[in-house]
Amino acid sequence: DSGVTQTPKHLITATGQRVTLRCSPRSGDLSVYWYQQSLDQGLQFLIHYYNGEERAKGNILERFSAQQFPDLHSELNLSSLELGDSALYFCASSSTGADTGELFFGEGSRLTVL
Amino acid sequence: AQKVTQAQTEISVVEKEDVTLDCVYETRDTTYYLFWYKQPPSGELVFLIRRNSFDEQNEISGRYSWNFQKSTSSFNFTITASQVVDSAVYFCALRMDSSYKLIFGSGTRLLVRP
Repeated sequence: DSGVTQTPKHLITATGQRVTLRCSPRSGDLSVYWYQQSLDQGLQFLIHYYNGEERAKGNILERFSAQQFPDLHSELNLSSLELGDSALYFCASSSTGADTGELFFGEGSRLTVL
Repeated sequence: AQKVTQAQTEISVVEKEDVTLDCVYETRDTTYYLFWYKQPPSGELVFLIRRNSFDEQNEISGRYSWNFQKSTSSFNFTITASQVVDSAVYFCALRMDSSYKLIFGSGTRLLVRP
């Protein structure tokens, strides 16, 4: 158990809909990262937050947005969903923003868009 | 450009065999970090090891060992006396000192047969 909690574990929805994925980092970790794992793109970095502030953006679509709240949990919002958004979405946390250490990943939220 | 290549898509071995998973990386940065993660069938990503670019010492942890060679830009992972529980997808990842994101390879699926 990494200590990172993600909900929901599975989600099935329709095209055009909007979903919110939630992540609670390990106790004491200030950094939260979101990754997308799909069959064709592999593991792709989406976005990084540190103590409530956005620190880095990766291949995140404009239809997607994220935030980190004062209690350090984070949410990834996916809107106007398309079939290609079906993927496993991982949240990871680490202790500092200047991260040289490992990321601890949650179990992922599997999104299926029908 | 930064890149991680795991040329072996899938490896199948019989229990107790030794197996080496290859990882080749590309970066022009002089300071960087290399990681290995394991993704068992349950789906979570489990951290295995981190290596800094300025530390070329090989590391052994139980049945696991890692061989880091800057001269060939490789960071290979060997499992000695493989076990069925080692069956998983293994990812090699790279992080530059100037960036927060992990760049993952495409993964190697290891199947250990009884």
